[in-house]
Amino acid sequence: NFMLTQPHSVSGSPGKTVTISCTRSSGSIASNFVQWYQQRPGSAPATVIYDDNLRPSGVPDRFSGSIDSSSNSASLTISGLKTEDEADYYCQSFDNSNVVFGGGTRLTVL
Amino acid sequence: EVQLVESGGGLAQPGGSLRLSCEASGFTLSSYGMNWVRQAPGKGLEWVSYISSSGTTIYYADSVKGRLTISRDNAKNSLYLQMNSLRDEDTAVYYCARAHDFWSAYDYWGQGTLVTVSS
Repeated sequence: NFMLTQPHSVSGSPGKTVTISCTRSSGSIASNFVQWYQQRPGSAPATVIYDDNLRPSGVPDRFSGSIDSSSNSASLTISGLKTEDEADYYCQSFDNSNVVFGGGTRLTVL
Repeated sequence: EVQLVESGGGLAQPGGSLRLSCEASGFTLSSYGMNWVRQAPGKGLEWVSYISSSGTTIYYADSVKGRLTISRDNAKNSLYLQMNSLRDEDTAVYYCARAHDFWSAYDYWGQGTLVTVSS
């Protein structure tokens, strides 16, 4: 089984752009789709990016996803930061019959 | 409106059992795969188990294999998680989450039910 490693925390000011990375420990990041979930305090998770770079309806285009095979990582970029973006963000992918979540990144909007 | 409502959580002793339920509404449960995902207090998300739309394909995380059993009753619009031989480390909020299939994102989540394992 592989692991997905995320930074413990990131921060940014309103209106700025932040990027959260998700590095796969073994196997290619491109071999299975990556999802990103947002979890606000006291709430259930919600999808913000699926299949590497697709946004569910209702998610603003300030959220974007990408993968980079050279670093074997996925990234979630949030532009035009708003205070409502303050939350925990988790990446997720698959391997055979196993589902792996990253450890989560706390985004603080200063 | 799609809704997933978990129930059945509570306090259990180590070695004890609990049965969680997830009642689905607003969509046809038999068309979707379903998952259980848990979150220990102050910790991250951990996938627990998946069951296909028909119930014929089932996967478990290694940490729960042999102790937790996922099942579904499409006629009752319900998903279940039978939890046996409970351990302290099973203490968590348990979420049910909908997916088109095993390889799909979870597009709807319930609000979760808390399971506490303690003597």
